[in-house]
Amino acid sequence: AQTVTQSQPEMSVQEAETVTLSCTYDTSENNYYLFWYKQPPSRQMILVIRQEAYKQQNATENRFSVNFQKAAKSFSLKISDSQLGDTAMYFCAAEVYGNKLVFGAGTILRVKS
Amino acid sequence: DAGVTQSPTHLIKTRGQQVTLRCSPKSGHDTVSWYQQALGQGPQFIFQYYEEEERQRGNFPDRFSGHQFPNYSSELNVNALLLGDSALYLCASSTVAGNTYEQYFGPGTRLTVT
Repeated sequence: AQTVTQSQPEMSVQEAETVTLSCTYDTSENNYYLFWYKQPPSRQMILVIRQEAYKQQNATENRFSVNFQKAAKSFSLKISDSQLGDTAMYFCAAEVYGNKLVFGAGTILRVKS
Repeated sequence: DAGVTQSPTHLIKTRGQQVTLRCSPKSGHDTVSWYQQALGQGPQFIFQYYEEEERQRGNFPDRFSGHQFPNYSSELNVNALLLGDSALYLCASSTVAGNTYEQYFGPGTRLTVT
């Protein structure tokens, strides 16, 4: 069974600064995907970034990047140049190919001006 | 290109009643998954439909059932509603084409059971 743990219930960051959200997971599978989703107050779940477990290179999407440590089963999200629009709940999720998504409990991120 | 759509947006039901939620997948997607998200928590997987059959199921009672139609749209039915069924119900669509299996979420249906 897969589990995903987010140990930071809430985080705050000043506008334009950098923040890192933590995530650890557990799975016995070799092939899987890891995701970070953003859920603003509008509640629409939006994909932020995706990492394939077989790729060693960390994924990057504009201001968002991940630090994927496969041996440690760690998958953190770094947000650079934080913007007010980044304020949201962030969920880390794991998926075995073709299977269900398993989500963490989420981290509320507040960007302050 | 329309994304994932869900209806209704909000719903209020009484304990013991039955409810049907609907989902239309993103164009080109053939797989629909349903998730329940209680307030302040992460989504929990309910079940997944592919080729009109339930392919996998999470840890939810038989009161939760579903269906997928030939056009890939899907319904989630919940019978004998309990107060604890109050939650945001999310539908996500995906396809194996392209080998990404990325899931796209709809805006959700907020169900309140009184």
